[in-house]
Amino acid sequence: AQRVTQPEKLLSVFKGAPVELKCNYSYSGSPELFWYVQYSRQRLQLLLRHISRESIKGFTADLNKGETSFHLKKPFAQEEDSAMYYCALSGRSTGGFKTIFGAGTRLFVKA
Amino acid sequence: DTEVTQTPKHLVMGMTNKKSLKCEQHMGHRAMYWYKQKAKKPPELMFVYSYEKLSINESVPSRFSPECPNSSLLNLHLHALQPEDSALYLCASSQNLGLGRARKAGELFFGEGSRLTVL
Repeated sequence: AQRVTQPEKLLSVFKGAPVELKCNYSYSGSPELFWYVQYSRQRLQLLLRHISRESIKGFTADLNKGETSFHLKKPFAQEEDSAMYYCALSGRSTGGFKTIFGAGTRLFVKA
Repeated sequence: DTEVTQTPKHLVMGMTNKKSLKCEQHMGHRAMYWYKQKAKKPPELMFVYSYEKLSINESVPSRFSPECPNSSLLNLHLHALQPEDSALYLCASSQNLGLGRARKAGELFFGEGSRLTVL
């Protein structure tokens, strides 16, 4: 079974501070991991994916298969980073591929 | 066109009504999805269509009936809903990438959602 765990519902940091949003997953095969973000009054959108190993808006995430983790990190948080962040896992299921989401972490960056 | 468009944005219906939610994409994506999102909760998968065929139904009650008339359109027909079905219904699409064991779902592109209230 696929499962995504985001242990923090809310993370509050000061502007310029480092931020780490935690994500752990459970999946028996080789998963695709993603971080999606939802800014206020905007649609849910992709932030980054583990396959591309890129940095988007200063955020990075490394897949650690040993720890089954895909934590999202940014060295210096900005106020505009305040949003809802969802870790997502896409994997093979009976019938096809499906993407499931963790519970989400609301990031609040204070001035 | 790189958007997923959902209509209507808001819908209020009684428990005896029949209504439909519509979703459209013109990105050539061959996988389309319905998710349900309650307040302060993550999106919860309902249905997956792949190449216009229903591939996954996450044990959704039959009062929700999906339909994929062609590769660009996805409908969700609603009948005899309950007040607890009130939620934001999100449509998404993705490319089906690769073949066989190398196949992957890829990035999901979401619509803005249809906010449903059942009275």
